Formats: sequence, structure tokens, C-alpha cells
Amino acid sequence: NFMLTQPHSVSESPGKTVTISCTRSSGSIASNYVQWYQQRPGSSPTSVIYEDSQRPSGVPDRFSGSIDNSSNSASLTISGLKTEDEAEYYCQSYDSSKVWVFGGGTKLTVL
Amino acid sequence: QVQLVESGGGVVQPGGSLRLSCAVSGLTFSNYGMHWVRQAPGKGLEWAAFIRHDESKKYYADSVRGRFTISRDNSKNTLYLQMDSLRPEDTAVYYCAKDRDRIRFEYWGQGTLVTVSS
Repeated sequence: NFMLTQPHSVSESPGKTVTISCTRSSGSIASNYVQWYQQRPGSSPTSVIYEDSQRPSGVPDRFSGSIDNSSNSASLTISGLKTEDEAEYYCQSYDSSKVWVFGGGTKLTVL
Repeated sequence: QVQLVESGGGVVQPGGSLRLSCAVSGLTFSNYGMHWVRQAPGKGLEWAAFIRHDESKKYYADSVRGRFTISRDNSKNTLYLQMDSLRPEDTAVYYCAKDRDRIRFEYWGQGTLVTVSS
């Protein structure tokens, strides 16, 4: 199985843009879709990006996702940051042996 | 709307057992695979188990295989997790989640806390 590595924390000011990375340890990042979940304190996770770059209904277009084969990583970009975006963000993928893998999570602080 | 409601959490001694339930409404439960995902206090998300819509396949994380059993009752729209031989490191909030395309977690419950402590 592979691992997904995220930075522990990122911070940025309101109105700015932040990017959170998610690096796959082995195998190609492109071989299995990557999802991103937002988890606010005391709440369940909710999906903000699925299948690398798709936004669920109701998620603002300030949220975008991409993958980069050269760095074997996925990225979540949030533009026009709002204080309500402050949360923990998790990337997630899966492999052919039917194991679903999460990254360790990134705490986003909007200050 | 889709609702997933977990229950059955509580405090249990090491070596003990507990059964979690997840009541699902707002969708045709028997059509979808389901997962259990857990989150230790202050830690990240960890996938624990998956069951296909018809119970034909079940998959487990290495950390719970042989101790936990996932099951479902499609007539009751309910998912279960039987947890045996519990360890302190199993202490976590346990979420049930609806599978989408065996790729992702589409809907999540609110979670139920399991504490393994003497």
C-alpha cells in the first residue's frame, strides 16, 4: 500500500490563495482518483473535491483540485480565502487491493 | 435528504466487545456499499472497513482485520460494526460513510465515540 503525505499546517490571510499538497509515496498519483475532504472542529468530514478536480454540488468554485505527475502529488487550491474555510483538510485515494487511504491532514488557519 | 446516524458507542474495557450501528435513510440502502472510518482523538482519518451492497465482499484495514466484522441488514437499512478484542488504540470516533463507485466517501454520519479504557 502507499501513503499520502500532507503538510501539517498552512496559514494565509483572508482574500488570499492557498494550496495544500498531497504526495503519493509509491505508484502513480494518476492511477487512482484523489478526493479532498474538509473537517471543521467537532463536525464530520464533507467532500470539497472528488475525482481529482470535480466539485460536489454546493461547493464554491473558490475550491479547485489538480494532480501533478512530475511531483506525484495532488493539490487543493482555495482562492479568495474566508475565515469559514479554516478547517482540517484531508486528501484520500484508494488502491486496487481495496484499501482506502487518507493523508494525515492539513490544518488551514485563516488569519 | 440522506441521513446516516451512528449509535452504540461507549466506554469498554480492553479485551471487550462493542457493536456499532448506522441507520441510513434518504436513499436505497441496498444499492450501495458502505464504509466505517475512524478518527482517534486529535488524529487524522483512518479507513477501517467496507462492505458491498449485497455483502458479497468485505474488506478491512490491517489494524482491525480479524477483530472487527462489518455487516448489514438491508431490510432494516442498517450497517453494523462488531468490534471484538478491543484495544486502547481503538479509541476513536467511528463514522459510517456511504461509498461512491468504490472510490470515495459520499455521505458521512455524525460519528459515535468509542473509548477503550480500564
